[in-house]
Amino acid sequence: NAGVTQTPKFQVLKTGQSMTLQCAQDMNHNSMYWYRQDPGMGLRLIYYSASEGTTDKGEVPNGYNVSRLNKREFSLRLESAAPSQTSVYFCASSEAAGQPQHFGDGTRLSIL
Amino acid sequence: GNSVTQMEGPVTLSEEAFLTINCTYTATGYPSLFWYVQYPGEGLQLLLKATKADDKGSNKGFEATYRKETTSFHLEKGSVQVSDSAVYFCALRITDSWGKFQFGAGTQVVVTP
Repeated sequence: NAGVTQTPKFQVLKTGQSMTLQCAQDMNHNSMYWYRQDPGMGLRLIYYSASEGTTDKGEVPNGYNVSRLNKREFSLRLESAAPSQTSVYFCASSEAAGQPQHFGDGTRLSIL
Repeated sequence: GNSVTQMEGPVTLSEEAFLTINCTYTATGYPSLFWYVQYPGEGLQLLLKATKADDKGSNKGFEATYRKETTSFHLEKGSVQVSDSAVYFCALRITDSWGKFQFGAGTQVVVTP
């Protein structure tokens, strides 16, 4: 009963390093999302994929890229990490756009 | 624009106390409203939802009523337990787009024995 699986759970990077966060869901959901969670700011949408083969920018896309590899997997890439990208990153999926989302347990990323 | 405003935490309560977390929103159209809960070290889980005015969502002893006249969706529980300690997020689904969710900042609730 995995649901949404994110890897890794924790990561420390140096400024300028690159990193890909992985996300996979086993619920046959069409839509997938990447959020970042920062204290006092709730969740902010970075990118989303309404369906396989499509991706779109969310509220805070700068500094990130995404790939919808297939229906199950949606990865988030930081090409050149910056301290401002220190955050907890959550992947989520939903049966369709606008349906309630199911979240992974998050990736805690620190950039020094 | 669309936004969700929640009361700031942390909210500290004793076990069996009454819990209210205020949530108000601004939105175009008629959004659906949601409460999510995040337990320590975990992702968000859907707690309850309401899709139209005067609807009441309920789950695990929690309730919230969609009040269009006051643009509110306050979360309540009559008798909290230590296991209810978590961060609670109010959210709305924006109706004038593909269905994007707008989340509030979250309210931490701490229940002590």
